[in-house]
Amino acid sequence: GQNIDQPTEMTATEGAIVQINCTYQTSGFNGLFWYQQHAGEAPTFLSYNVLDGLEEKGRFSSFLSRSKGYSYLLLKELQMKDSASYLCAVRDEQGGKLIFGQGTELSVKP
Amino acid sequence: DADVTQTPRNRITKTGKRIMLECSQTKGHDRMYWYRQDPGLGLRLIYYSFDVKDINKGEISDGYSVSRQAQAKFSLSLESAIPNQTALYFCATPDRGSNQPQHFGDGTRLSIL
Repeated sequence: GQNIDQPTEMTATEGAIVQINCTYQTSGFNGLFWYQQHAGEAPTFLSYNVLDGLEEKGRFSSFLSRSKGYSYLLLKELQMKDSASYLCAVRDEQGGKLIFGQGTELSVKP
Repeated sequence: DADVTQTPRNRITKTGKRIMLECSQTKGHDRMYWYRQDPGLGLRLIYYSFDVKDINKGEISDGYSVSRQAQAKFSLSLESAIPNQTALYFCATPDRGSNQPQHFGDGTRLSIL
């Protein structure tokens, strides 16, 4: 079966660092995506990993270990505007379909 | 980025009504997807299409149908709406290339009374 797990909620402090974990078990794998979604809005693309290792993009980094079925999104220097839901999604090998986790609701406190 | 437009943005209707949600994209991309989002359940795939008149079922296609008569447009229909189809619906299309992300429209908030 297809299964993607993320924590439901996380809280962090402005200026701090937070790591959001994602574990997956899927029948195929053709890349892992992280999206950010503010309440009532569309998901927006943050990062993409298809090979093992760390991808850095400004304050955001994403890590992938394919052998462990594990990824994390690291957010540095947290800002209030980072309060949002973060979605982990695995793309399957056929058709490019995305399988989403349920999302992690991040609250950034002053 | 793909420019994805969804209409309507909001819709309230009654059980048993037929509803069509429209999605259009301006970049001429081949692949288009329809998802629904429910609180605590994430995004789930309803239908997807690789090209004109190509239709594929997703995870939760029961109760829905789609039409892809033109490359730019992908329509989602609820033939006889029921309350548990109340959700936020998103259309998406990826840029060309093997590692390109899907870009989402602004969504349609649908309420079935």
